[in-house]
Amino acid sequence: GDSVTQMEGPVTLSEEAFLTINCTYTATGYPSLFWYVQYPGEGLQLLLKATKADDKGSNKGFEATYRKETTSFHLEKGSVQVSDSAVYFCALSPNYGGATNKLIFGTGTLLAVQP
Amino acid sequence: GAGVSQSPRYKVAKRGQDVALRCDPISGHVSLFWYQQALGQGPEFLTYFQNEAQLDKSGLPSDRFFAERPEGSVSTLKIQRTQQEDSAVYLCASSPGTANTEAFFGQGTRLTVV
Repeated sequence: GDSVTQMEGPVTLSEEAFLTINCTYTATGYPSLFWYVQYPGEGLQLLLKATKADDKGSNKGFEATYRKETTSFHLEKGSVQVSDSAVYFCALSPNYGGATNKLIFGTGTLLAVQP
Repeated sequence: GAGVSQSPRYKVAKRGQDVALRCDPISGHVSLFWYQQALGQGPEFLTYFQNEAQLDKSGLPSDRFFAERPEGSVSTLKIQRTQQEDSAVYLCASSPGTANTEAFFGQGTRLTVV
């Protein structure tokens, strides 16, 4: 079945460091891909998305490119801030006939940014 | 309200007790989803409503789990005869459309079965 695998955390970085959180997927057809973020004490929020191969999603300095050839959707940011500390979830939504518009999530990666 | 609202935020149930978890989606949102998130895991899909119709309940783990959305707005997730393995955060999400539209999540209900 469809699944998402993302790197385990926690990831601890100093402020202004470069961030990469790896995400790969297994899916039938051509899913849409998402990154969600959960800040402490808050609900899941959509960070960015890409709906077809080679699309790049971007938001708040984060970006991820939909790579069909490597079935990957790695999250990157050039310079992290303390306020980026959160749990990041990679997710896919199946995109074949009759599929529910549900999300299939990875296990989440905790990012801790130190000043 | 401005976002998806879930109640209660926390629920402690004795094993064998029935519980009901409520979700108030964003007004006018057609799609509503329930997810279960165990500690240290990502959310797992339980069930999906399009308006009042439950179109997908493939993720419900057993027949003790039941969800409804009778008027196409508020939804209730009911768990009968709770077991310890039901302890998790239950998330509700709504979205305005039916395909590839952003899902907005509530803060969840943390259920602890003792």
